[in-house]
Amino acid sequence: RKEVEQDPGPFNVPEGATVAFNCTYSNSASQSFFWYRQDCRKEPKLLMSVYSSGNEDGRFTAQLNRASQYISLLIRDSKLSDSATYLCVVNPRPMNYGGSQGNLIFGKGTKLSVKP
Amino acid sequence: EAQVTQNPRYLITVTGKKLTVTCSQNMNHEYMSWYRQDPGLGLRQIYYSMNVEVTDKGDVPEGYKVSRKEKRNFPLILESPSPNQTSLYFCASKREGQETQYFGPGTRLLVL
Repeated sequence: RKEVEQDPGPFNVPEGATVAFNCTYSNSASQSFFWYRQDCRKEPKLLMSVYSSGNEDGRFTAQLNRASQYISLLIRDSKLSDSATYLCVVNPRPMNYGGSQGNLIFGKGTKLSVKP
Repeated sequence: EAQVTQNPRYLITVTGKKLTVTCSQNMNHEYMSWYRQDPGLGLRQIYYSMNVEVTDKGDVPEGYKVSRKEKRNFPLILESPSPNQTSLYFCASKREGQETQYFGPGTRLLVL
């Protein structure tokens, strides 16, 4: 099983649609989870962290299911500007681990294209 | 403005010609890292540094060297580049104890 696996995509949706991305991770001891956004030929940028209780930021909702080792991102009312690649990212070690505690594991990304 | 900068942004070189890609951050971050991104493979970590004079290998360190003589700089060195090192390279940094990594704008390298 790959360390971080995402929906293959691409997702082509009309403006206003709701779209969901899924991600699974293999290391059950993983501590922190994130969604990053990457625009074409640009650097990844943090979209949101993912907490066990779930969290929402405007049109974006992230969920974590530790038992199933599953992370999701829901985008409501899609905008043209949401078109990008969304990267599921996992930190497999606790923050007080020392050593490689900053080493993130990236999924390959899911490309979203929102059409008018 | 808080940022991570990389130079050059684009580079075409030939096999075997040593090159250095610079990375600098102005946020006083302890942690810095280099990644490469290839189609179908995603982002993979090359090397990282927890602080000055502390570096360690990531997942794909072969063919690369790094140094961390100053806190703000973390250059990536390719002593003898080969075509399989053609890639998009990102430098990133973060503050110790925090999660968010800040990425530089990327360096596109083509090795002929």
